[in-house]
Amino acid sequence: GAGVSQSPSNKVTEKGKDVELRCDPISGHTALYWYRQSLGQGLEFLIYFQGNSAPDKSGLPSDRFSAERTGGSVSTLTIQRTQQEDSAVYLCASSLEGLASYNEQFFGPGTRLTVL
Amino acid sequence: KNEVEQSPQNLTAQEGEFITINCSYSVGISALHWLQQHPGGGIVSLFMLSSGKKKHGRLIATINIQEKHSSLHITASHPRDSAVYICAAPLGNDMRFGAGTRLTVKP
Repeated sequence: GAGVSQSPSNKVTEKGKDVELRCDPISGHTALYWYRQSLGQGLEFLIYFQGNSAPDKSGLPSDRFSAERTGGSVSTLTIQRTQQEDSAVYLCASSLEGLASYNEQFFGPGTRLTVL
Repeated sequence: KNEVEQSPQNLTAQEGEFITINCSYSVGISALHWLQQHPGGGIVSLFMLSSGKKKHGRLIATINIQEKHSSLHITASHPRDSAVYICAAPLGNDMRFGAGTRLTVKP
């Protein structure tokens, strides 16, 4: 079956531009997660959607970052006025149920963002 | 101090050796994930465990919730096991990650 997909796989943008990253979770998965991995660094949690509940946005690095999940399925992560420090691989994952249910997470291939 | 700490940071082994990677955490959690990140960047979930031990092929994961410690073992290691292994703890609406252990298995 189809796994988690992300698009684009690579994105090069100029400093100050806005970018939108997309994640398609596994069908039927109620939980969706966004993570970031800067070059040579560990994974960083950004935001988590559980069903139709409003997400906890406290993990987002700045107010230039926003995320939404439409219809409980596809999610977009938007970065406004990109900065060079935003360069990283952005990973999406989904699970059948949320964090409290301790389900296995399935990861997408990531979007490599480079801000020039 | 990171709430989730792994050791060692780097590990080099000869093919066939028994591998142990450790994860300790300072927060109160009820379960822990072990992830594998391949050299190409893809991440695979290996285990999610809340107690005792789980086994999948040559991989074994154990956890002691009271002692706040988990271990990942690889028996009869192989060069294809070379990857970064990451432990992660769900905490509320958040996930806390260890820094990862880079394993290199030489033929």
